[in-house]
Amino acid sequence: DAGITQSPRYKITETGRQVTLMCHQTWSHSYMFWYRQDLGHGLRLIYYSAAADITDKGEVPDGYVVSRSKTENFPLTLESATRSQTSVYFCASLAGTYNEQFFGPGTRLTVL
Amino acid sequence: AQKITQTQPGMFVQEKEAVTLDCTYDTSDQSYGLFWYKQPSSGEMIFLIYQGSYDEQNATEGRYSLNFQKARKSANLVISASQLGDSAMYFCAMIRSASKIIFGSGTRLSIRP
Repeated sequence: DAGITQSPRYKITETGRQVTLMCHQTWSHSYMFWYRQDLGHGLRLIYYSAAADITDKGEVPDGYVVSRSKTENFPLTLESATRSQTSVYFCASLAGTYNEQFFGPGTRLTVL
Repeated sequence: AQKITQTQPGMFVQEKEAVTLDCTYDTSDQSYGLFWYKQPSSGEMIFLIYQGSYDEQNATEGRYSLNFQKARKSANLVISASQLGDSAMYFCAMIRSASKIIFGSGTRLSIRP
């Protein structure tokens, strides 16, 4: 199916553990994004990527690492998870600057 | 500073009535785009409508229209003939470049039968 998939959909982990959230898109869109959504904050941009091997920080990048070796994949890694990183994480893609952003279904992450 | 403001944290509307969700933005850029997304209780983000800063006509998509007033920097979403399925969170967002996308804090819309 065309679109954006995220895995896992739900994840529970412990403080200090490394966690990787996966994101895959089937359109070959140039731009990909990671957002976190916390109650009362809307969506905040963590990292974005303009193309394979090009990534840059967003509004709240601390504690996260991204890579993009292939256009279709954009994994997000929490190197040492903290409770403050408990959130819903959305991956999104964009064909061009003034086009619609397409969102994945989200990953609900709980850090105990 | 670039900012999106949604001043209505929650709204209740009777079914079949029209509803307007407010969104104001602040930017010094000339080129930008404005989006509205719907987030139902299931959590997914659903694209509703897009307005470019140079578009002369207000965007419309079915029951959704965007009341774009550039001088006032407002981009209100209008839903005509509301339905029970319209109950959800609604987010306004502005894009100025791929690295400059910001979202408002959202409005929770509840439709009463």
